Amino acid sequence: GAVVSQHPSRVICKSGTSVKIECRSLDFQATTMFWYRQFPKQSLMLMATSNEGSKATYEQGVEKDKFLINHASLTLSTLTVTSAHPEDSSFYICSAASSVNTGELFFGEGSRLTVL
Amino acid sequence: QKEVEQDPGPLSVPEGAIVSLNCTYSNSAFQYFMWYRQYSRKGPELLMYTYSSGNKEDGRFTAQVDKSSKYISLFIRDSQPSDSATYLCAMTGYGNNRLAFGKGNQVVVIP
Repeated sequence: GAVVSQHPSRVICKSGTSVKIECRSLDFQATTMFWYRQFPKQSLMLMATSNEGSKATYEQGVEKDKFLINHASLTLSTLTVTSAHPEDSSFYICSAASSVNTGELFFGEGSRLTVL
Repeated sequence: QKEVEQDPGPLSVPEGAIVSLNCTYSNSAFQYFMWYRQYSRKGPELLMYTYSSGNKEDGRFTAQVDKSSKYISLFIRDSQPSDSATYLCAMTGYGNNRLAFGKGNQVVVIP
């Protein structure tokens, strides 16, 4: 299957700082990438859809000023958690589609954010 | 009613047993059905991908889709301890990469 790389896999930061997470499709071009958040023993919660060259589409209840998404190229999307607080601590996962509109998504390894 | 229902109850089986997992859904527009395997603290890994109704087999894994009943299944034969993971069903309609996920089943295969 296609490979999606996510970095960093784990990050610890102080409250009030900003953290950037990168998501790269290594062997295919992804016009659309997705960002999810996952709490322990819970399913994936879609946060936003990231489209190359345009603004991200955020799900209801997700603060776009808190979670900044940039999709600068066909192989890279970034999620920046701004002014992080302990309640932002979570497992963040990105995914990308290798084909258009067939739902076949490949996921990154995830990034565990801990805000102290 | 949620779009996708998956009983999240943990499942423990002895090594070599058949694992049977299933999901039901309500949206008749769903055409693409996936099963993902997720190990602890890792991202989901695409395990099986099927389109419309029918069966698909890949090694020890078999995915079944019954669109008339809005019911999908995953079977794992000759289960191994390395199969211990959480299994998530997911699905979407044509022209849409936005997946609807089940809650996931934690499976433990006991040696």
